[in-house]
Amino acid sequence: DTAVSQTPKYLVTQMGNDKSIKCEQNLGHDTMYWYKQDSKKFLKIMFSYNNKELIINETVPNRFSPKSPDKAHLNLHINSLELGDSAVYFCASSQKSVAGPLAKNIQYFGAGTRLSVL
Amino acid sequence: GQQVMQIPQYQHVQEGEDFTTYCNSSTTLSNIQWYKQRPGGHPVFLIQLVKSGEVKKQKRLTFQFGEAKKNSSLHITATQTTDVGTYFCAGGGSNYKLTFGKGTLLTVNP
Repeated sequence: DTAVSQTPKYLVTQMGNDKSIKCEQNLGHDTMYWYKQDSKKFLKIMFSYNNKELIINETVPNRFSPKSPDKAHLNLHINSLELGDSAVYFCASSQKSVAGPLAKNIQYFGAGTRLSVL
Repeated sequence: GQQVMQIPQYQHVQEGEDFTTYCNSSTTLSNIQWYKQRPGGHPVFLIQLVKSGEVKKQKRLTFQFGEAKKNSSLHITATQTTDVGTYFCAGGGSNYKLTFGKGTLLTVNP
């Protein structure tokens, strides 16, 4: 079974449409993330949820809205898609092993969703 | 906010040559992690360093964390074609957030 699975793998859509990407993890982790990777491979964090609570909300257009129905799922809805939204979107999850600076916060990434806005 | 710079952006080597990528943070880090992303794949965790001056080895890979905990390096000895991919460093703070460097794309000529 895939640890972090996201669907769909590919998404081709027209400008102005609304689309959703789903993510599920079966690792029992408390924290989930959405990252955007642009054409230059730059990985930028967008959002993070810990136990269904939003803990990281980077400067992203409010057309992007994450939703976490439970700690194993984190979905991303995008309204009014623009050309610049074309990228690979990665979901990830992590579980902090212990508190403090020695904590391991290893991120497990899904396979990615390649979004192309035409 | 925290920034993590990584160089070089690209590195092309002949198989058997060594390779090094460097990361520098604008702030002191709690820890630093390294990830590898194969072409068309997703980032995969390699290692985490937490102590000042720490050095860790994984076969041909050597990871270092600077004394001031603001810089790190990954060195690959005698590269192989299986080493091809983008190597990312990621700086960890006291919260859950990792700040990724822009990555170094390594290509290896057989």
